[in-house]
Amino acid sequence: QKEVEQNSGPLSVPEGAIASLNCTYSDRGSQSFFWYRQYSGKSPELIMFIYSNGDKEDGRFTAQLNKASQYVSLLIRDSQPSDSATYLCAVNQGSNYKLTFGKGTLLTVNP
Amino acid sequence: KAGVTQTPRYLIKTRGQQVTLSCSPISGHRSVSWYQQTPGQGLQFLFEYFSETQRNKGNFPGRFSGRQFSNSRSEMNVSTLELGDSALYLCASRRVENTEAFFGQGTRLTVV
Repeated sequence: QKEVEQNSGPLSVPEGAIASLNCTYSDRGSQSFFWYRQYSGKSPELIMFIYSNGDKEDGRFTAQLNKASQYVSLLIRDSQPSDSATYLCAVNQGSNYKLTFGKGTLLTVNP
Repeated sequence: KAGVTQTPRYLIKTRGQQVTLSCSPISGHRSVSWYQQTPGQGLQFLFEYFSETQRNKGNFPGRFSGRQFSNSRSEMNVSTLELGDSALYLCASRRVENTEAFFGQGTRLTVV
C-alpha cells in the first residue's frame, strides 16, 4: 500500500468552479498534513497546512482533515486559470522526521 | 526574510563524476531535508538533518550522502553519477519537525 495516495488526474474544472483534491495516507500516527502547489518547472510552494481534524480555511482554499478515515482534502473555491498546477499532498508520518509526498494531482482550470 | 537558497541552479555532469549541491535554509530553521524529483517517481525523500545529525534516510544507494554544518547549511553529494540520477534536487527547511517545510528553487542535475 502506498504511503500517500492522490488521484493523478488530470482534473479539469471551469473557471469559477470549486476544485476538489483528495489524498489518503496509510500511517495512523501521522500528525501534520500539507498541501503544496507546483507550477511546471518550479519548486513546490506551501499553500495550506492542517494539524487537527476538521476544516481550515484560508482565502479561497479550505483544507479538510479526517484522521479516522485517514483522509485529507483541499477545496479551491472560485477557481482561476492561475490555479492550474500540480497539487501535492504531504504527510508527516509520526516521529520519523520524514515528510512523505503523494505523486500529485494535475489541475487545469479552463477559462 | 530570505527563503531557502540552493546552489547551483543547474548542473551538467558526465557519468562517473561526482557532484555536490548546497542548501542554505531559512534563518532560524534547523531541519533540512533533501528530495529527488523525477517525472516518473515524484518527490522521493533522500535524507533529513537536524543540528548536524542525520535523523532519517530514504531508500537510495550509498552514493547519495549529505551533511549539515553548525550554521544549518547542508550539502548533499552524489558520487559515481549515473544517467538515472538526472533529476530536480530539492531542499526543504523547517523550524523543527512536524512544522511547515519550505522549498528552495532546486538544482536541476543532468547527467550525460
